[in-house]
Amino acid sequence: AQRVTQPEKLLSVFKGAPVELKCNYSYSGSPELFWYVQYSRQRLQLLLRHISRESIKGFTADLNKGETSFHLKKPFAQEEDSAMYYCALGVSGGYQKVTFGTGTKLQVIP
Amino acid sequence: NAGVMQNPRHLVRRRGQEARLRCSPMKGHSHVYWYRQLPEEGLKFMVYLQKENIIDESGMPKERFSAEFPKEGPSILRIQQVVRGDSAAYFCASSSSTGGSYNEQFFGPGTRLTVL
Repeated sequence: AQRVTQPEKLLSVFKGAPVELKCNYSYSGSPELFWYVQYSRQRLQLLLRHISRESIKGFTADLNKGETSFHLKKPFAQEEDSAMYYCALGVSGGYQKVTFGTGTKLQVIP
Repeated sequence: NAGVMQNPRHLVRRRGQEARLRCSPMKGHSHVYWYRQLPEEGLKFMVYLQKENIIDESGMPKERFSAEFPKEGPSILRIQQVVRGDSAAYFCASSSSTGGSYNEQFFGPGTRLTVL
């Protein structure tokens, strides 16, 4: 069975400081990893996926299969980054069944 | 495109009553997913449906819970004889054809169920 672990419930950083939201997963097959974000009073939305290897809003995430991690990083936090962030693992094969972590609340202090 | 719609946004039921949660997918989407988020927990997959078919209900509790996605109309998640432990946020997501690879799931605003 697949599992996603986000060890931090809350992460507070000062504006301009680097951000790293941790995510570890367990899955025996070939994973597809995602980060979702939920801003205050808004819907959950896809932030980025490891396959695309892109940077969205300054955030990047690298899949490390050796460490089974997919940490989300940003070099300089901005106040508008404050939100709930969910790491998710997709099991491919026919369709995507997505397993979510418990989420980390990022609070950027001005 | 109004996005995924869910109603009601808030639902209060007494123990033993029935709860019906509705989800209208995005226009052009024929795949619907239901997730449940208990307090202090992540979203947990419940069921995946295509029009008139349940594809995967491995996350659904065996009793009292059912889901449908009729040819016409919204997808319905039905909880019979609700208990306090059913209190949670229920999210619906929709996607276009999956074709074996990931197609982004678009989420609705959720329905918050409170069982008194």
